[in-house]
Amino acid sequence: SYVLIQPPSVSVAPGKTARVTCGGDSIGSLTVHWYQQKPGQAPVLVISFDKDRPSGIPERFSGSNSGNTAALTISRVEAGDEADYYCQVWDGSGNYVFGPGTKVTVL
Amino acid sequence: QVRLQESGPRLVKPSQTLSLTCTVSRAFISSGGYYWGWIRQHPGKGLEWIGNIYVSESTFYNPSLKSRSTISVDTSNNQFSLNLTSVTAADTALYFCARGRTGCFESWGQGTLVTVSS
Repeated sequence: SYVLIQPPSVSVAPGKTARVTCGGDSIGSLTVHWYQQKPGQAPVLVISFDKDRPSGIPERFSGSNSGNTAALTISRVEAGDEADYYCQVWDGSGNYVFGPGTKVTVL
Repeated sequence: QVRLQESGPRLVKPSQTLSLTCTVSRAFISSGGYYWGWIRQHPGKGLEWIGNIYVSESTFYNPSLKSRSTISVDTSNNQFSLNLTSVTAADTALYFCARGRTGCFESWGQGTLVTVSS
């Protein structure tokens, strides 16, 4: 089955930029989606189709996908961005695969 | 904005069947265009897709859970359900229902914690 790799944690100072990566074999040929999950809450879709922001998601959130790495970038990080972030793909065989998640800590 | 709400027993005994229902409001399952899925999260861990169902009643399951999973839909009550058989402590998790389209899950329920214990 398809495997996604994410760093366990990323730390960033307020106002700076956080980059969360999601690695996978030729992931650039797949479509990547990103979810934000705060403690005690359900996940929220923050980036779909590699780089699209659903309604209500701040422009500070952006995505990219190429080669073997997809990335979620959070610009001008705020305290409220502290959360777990998961990448997800549909592997083309009917399976929906989530990455292990990255905890973003705002210093 | 669609709303999804999970319901079902919070405590299930080992070897028994875990049964959960997701009630959908502000949208109709029968209207098509979406799939309806179940995702779980073990305590302190990441997300694990369980399976999806379409209004056509086609289903797709995580290969690791396929032999024990059944997802069904009840359009008359605007609900869909998950049955997971022969549960063990490893099935203790927070179970989410969600609505998805074209590869992602756009809307999620709040989740329900199910504990497997005697």
